[in-house]
Amino acid sequence: EVQLVESGGGLVQPGGSLRLSCAASGFTFNTYWMNWVRQAPGKGLEWVANIKQDGSEKYYVDSVKGRFTVSRDNAKNSLYLQMNSLRAEDTAVYYCARGLKPGSSTYGVDYWGQGTLVTVSS
Amino acid sequence: QSALTQPPSVSGSPGQSVTISCTGTSSDLGSYNRVSWYQQPPGTAPKLMIYEVTKRPSGVPDRFSGSRSGNTASLTISGLQAEDEADYYCSSFTTSSTFVFGGGTRLTVL
Repeated sequence: EVQLVESGGGLVQPGGSLRLSCAASGFTFNTYWMNWVRQAPGKGLEWVANIKQDGSEKYYVDSVKGRFTVSRDNAKNSLYLQMNSLRAEDTAVYYCARGLKPGSSTYGVDYWGQGTLVTVSS
Repeated sequence: QSALTQPPSVSGSPGQSVTISCTGTSSDLGSYNRVSWYQQPPGTAPKLMIYEVTKRPSGVPDRFSGSRSGNTASLTISGLQAEDEADYYCSSFTTSSTFVFGGGTRLTVL
């Protein structure tokens, strides 16, 4: 059974940093692109970033470029999102999501974690 | 990277059919057959319902179907059931190698 479990969310002041983690199990982690998707309270879904199986390619939504960094550790079956220079508008539930097809980034995502809440406020 | 356009809400009675539209541009939905639809009941994580415009993952009822014409994709739910009440989101791959979601549509089963 595919499982994705996010952690690391919490309350942080504007301008601060936070590192999210996602522990994956139930599939061959090092064969899938992985994604982060967020959802502000009461709002819709927003794709944030993804990373290739070997970490050699990464893509970001414009609003987080230069502030967020996605990474992975295939030995630990883990995905990360380092978030710096956080703003109030980054407040959201952050979901870890698996790429739909192994080896490809273009098909969207299939499995999602339950999410971790990040609140940016003074 | 503007969001895809969806109607804020749709509604239907049990047994009826509803269709949710999703409009993009030639930079996303119009260029790829990489359109997905997700169902999100309140307080839960999204669930994949349709991928590659028309395909259903295992376990998704065949009451759910997808289509696309030009820059607009559609999700049709036939034989509406109370359990279908949820928010629905479309998503597409883009020419920038990123993804974009629609703003979401709240489905109410009357």
